Amino acid sequence: SQQGEEDPQALSIQEGENATMNCSYKTSINNLQWYRQNSGRGLVHLILIRSNEREKHSGRLRVTLDTSKKSSSLLITASRAADTASYFCVGSGNTPLVFGKGTRLSVIA
Amino acid sequence: SQTIHQWPATLVQPVGSPLSLECTVEGTSNPNLYWYRQAAGRGLQLLFYSVGIGQISSEVPQNLSASRPQDRQFILSSKKLLLSDSGFYLCAWSWGTSNNEQFFGPGTRLTVL
Repeated sequence: SQQGEEDPQALSIQEGENATMNCSYKTSINNLQWYRQNSGRGLVHLILIRSNEREKHSGRLRVTLDTSKKSSSLLITASRAADTASYFCVGSGNTPLVFGKGTRLSVIA
Repeated sequence: SQTIHQWPATLVQPVGSPLSLECTVEGTSNPNLYWYRQAAGRGLQLLFYSVGIGQISSEVPQNLSASRPQDRQFILSSKKLLLSDSGFYLCAWSWGTSNNEQFFGPGTRLTVL
C-alpha cells in the first residue's frame, strides 16, 4: 500500500518558529498529499506534490519530495497557534489512500 | 460548490445494538466515496470505498458493512455493535481515482457502551 508514516509523532514549538515534519512511504506513488486535522474534525487537504516534482510551495507551506528515498517533508514557516493540529501524509497510486498516524503539532503562543 | 454531510455528529449506542451512519455529497456526480475509522490516538483506517452505485470494496474484515443506494449517498451499518467499534468515523469523497485529493466530512463520534 502507499501508506505514509510520519515522523516525529509529536512536535512542540514556539509561535514564530518553523515546524518540519517528515514522511516516508514504501511503494511507488503517483503523487503525495499532506492533510491537516484539527482535533475532533475531518481532514483538510493542504497540498499535493506529483512524483515528478521535487518541491512545492503554498503560502507558508513548503513540501519536498525525494522519490529515490521515498520520503517527503512538510515545512510550516512562521508557525502560529492556529497551526496546532495533526498532519498526515499519504502517497497515492492505484489503490485507495492509506493514512498513517500523523504528526501532532503543538504551537505554543 | 461541493459539500459533504455526515450525521449524526455524535452517537452513543449500547453493545449489540444496530448502527446506521449516513453520508451524502452535494454538488458533484459519480464521486468516489470512502468510510474511515479513527480510534483514539490512532491513524485513519480505511474501511470501505465505492466507485459507483452498488459497488463496495471492503479493506478490512470487520463487524461493519457499507452500502451505496444512490450516487451521492454512502451508508455505514452494523447489525450488532461491539465495544471495539467505538471511534471517530469519517466519510470522504474524491473525483475519479484515488490520485486525487479527498474531501472529508465533519465526522461522527461513536461511543459503544
